[in-house]
Amino acid sequence: GNSVTQMEGPVTLSEEAFLTINCTYTATGYPSLFWYVQYPGEGLQLLLKATKADDKGSNKGFEATYRKETTSFHLEKGSVQVSDSAVYFCALIYPYRDDKIIFGKGTRLHILP
Amino acid sequence: EADIYQTPRYLVIGTGKKITLECSQTMGHDKMYWYQQDPGMELHLIHYSYGVNSTEKGDLSSESTVSRIRTEHFPLTLESARPSHTSQYLCATRGGSTDTQYFGPGTRLTVL
Repeated sequence: GNSVTQMEGPVTLSEEAFLTINCTYTATGYPSLFWYVQYPGEGLQLLLKATKADDKGSNKGFEATYRKETTSFHLEKGSVQVSDSAVYFCALIYPYRDDKIIFGKGTRLHILP
Repeated sequence: EADIYQTPRYLVIGTGKKITLECSQTMGHDKMYWYQQDPGMELHLIHYSYGVNSTEKGDLSSESTVSRIRTEHFPLTLESARPSHTSQYLCATRGGSTDTQYFGPGTRLTVL
């Protein structure tokens, strides 16, 4: 079946460090891929998405590229801030089917000042 | 952007009480979902609906029940709350053939 695997946390970095959170998926065809972010005490928010191979999603300095050949969608940011501390979820869905979105288990990110 | 409302945001109740967690949305989305989020952050789908009068159980068995008699509302009910029900409950929606799922702010439930 379809699945999403993301790196386990917590990930702790200093402010202005480079961030990578790995995400790989198992799926047939071309699902849409997402990164969601959950700040403390809140629900999930869409951070970025990509709908086809080689697409790059970007938002708030974060970016991720849909790599069909490696079935990956790694999240990166060049210089993290304390306000980026949150839980990040990688996910996939087939938008034109009644499939349910599949989430990874989440990666908690701590940024130290 | 979808507007999804969940009430209450926080609830502390005693064992055996009946509770209903409310979820409402203003976007007219046909698909709605309930997730239970454990302290380890993982999301577990417990119920979903593809439209009025449609409800299905999710991947995680739950003692809760849901109803969908109006597009806007998708309440979740626990007939007799237990400490094992202590968790964060997240409601979400998705419209038509769009791919993006939108989430409400969540209800944090504590059962003593």
